[in-house]
Amino acid sequence: GAVVSQHPSRVICKSGTSVKIECRSLDFQATTMFWYRQFPKQSLMLMATSNEGSKATYEQGVEKDKFLINHASLTLSTLTVTSAHPEDSSFYICSAREMTAGGHEQYFGPGTRLTVT
Amino acid sequence: AQSVTQPDIHITVSEGASLELRCNYSYGATPYLFWYVQSPGQGLQLLLKYFSGDTLVQGIKGFEAEFKRSQSSFNLRKPSVHWSDAAEYFCAVGSNTDKLIFGTGTRLQVFP
Repeated sequence: GAVVSQHPSRVICKSGTSVKIECRSLDFQATTMFWYRQFPKQSLMLMATSNEGSKATYEQGVEKDKFLINHASLTLSTLTVTSAHPEDSSFYICSAREMTAGGHEQYFGPGTRLTVT
Repeated sequence: AQSVTQPDIHITVSEGASLELRCNYSYGATPYLFWYVQSPGQGLQLLLKYFSGDTLVQGIKGFEAEFKRSQSSFNLRKPSVHWSDAAEYFCAVGSNTDKLIFGTGTRLQVFP
């Protein structure tokens, strides 16, 4: 089946620094990738939809300047958390959408645990 | 409004017992329905999906789900639960081109 990878799996950074998270579709091309945030024991909250070659579409309440998304190729999207603060600590999950004959399906990466100290 | 409701936050069953996790949705168009499972600290794995056709869909790990349009439900079932099934389960709804909307999840605990 389709595989999505994320790197890094865990990252600890100091407050005020920036962190980049990569999301790759390994064996398929993904015109659309999604970035989610998940707090402990809660559901996934969609942050933004990333389309290859165009600007990302952010959900209401998500700061565009803080969470920079770049989808430069059909297999890679990056999320950069700029000027990170402790409240940005969370589990970030990406997914990539593959168009199939029966409809779309999202494949999820294993997630990135961000801890801001 | 588009939404997914998973009424059971936490379910505990004995190993070998049957399982049903509830999911109700509200969606304006023809829904595409999904069940995902998440182990602690991991991403989501697709258990099964419904796009069209037979309303009883089979998934991986012995799971199945039934789409009932009249009840706006897509409940997940398994006849005999294994200890390795303990995890968080998410129901989601979307369309062919739209984003997914997730429920709040149901945590399954399995006792030996």
